[in-house]
Amino acid sequence: DAGVIQSPRHEVTEMGQEVTLRCKPISGHDYLFWYRQTMMRGLELLIYFNNNVPIDDSGMPEDRFSAKMPNASFSTLKIQPSEPRDSAVYFCASTRRTRETQYFGPGTRLLVL
Amino acid sequence: GESVGLHLPTLSVQEGDNSIINCAYSNSASDYFIWYKQESGKGPQFIIDIRSNMDKRQGQRVTVLLNKTVKHLSLQIAATQPGDSAVYFCAEIPGYGGATNKLIFGTGTLLAVQP
Repeated sequence: DAGVIQSPRHEVTEMGQEVTLRCKPISGHDYLFWYRQTMMRGLELLIYFNNNVPIDDSGMPEDRFSAKMPNASFSTLKIQPSEPRDSAVYFCASTRRTRETQYFGPGTRLLVL
Repeated sequence: GESVGLHLPTLSVQEGDNSIINCAYSNSASDYFIWYKQESGKGPQFIIDIRSNMDKRQGQRVTVLLNKTVKHLSLQIAATQPGDSAVYFCAEIPGYGGATNKLIFGTGTLLAVQP
């Protein structure tokens, strides 16, 4: 079975530009999570969905960040406008049931110049 | 705030030796713990998990030990191989009556296997 799929794998953009990260969870998984990883702060949960509904977005840094899940097989994380401090690796993860192991995608490495 | 593992130590071992990676967690209400392995340029990969009603669980070459009294988790890797070189994270899900799926990650331990 395919794991969690993320695109793009790498993104380089200029400050002020809009960035859209994409994720396809594992088929049959009802929970989808967006994380950010930096050297300074480690792995941080940004938001998670259950059955396409956002459940906890308390980790979203500010209004420049938004996430959507229009259907069970697709989610986006958007940053508008982007800033250099948003540079990080963004991971998507999914899990089948509540409070079970989360399976991570390969990540999107974002660099905002 | 709650935290798991406040520093990033490095563990250097010889190939073939056993490795023990430790993790301290701070939330006594946590009831589910996971160890992940992250290789350079990749996402975290599940290794093994344990629930709070257990104190030991074994997998293939790996064993996780949970000591709830002192809020300590450890990962033991038998016969460490060069392919085991990676950053290892422990993660917890706080109990909160089962109302949350938030994984709280530690800062990780770098395991360096010397050939």
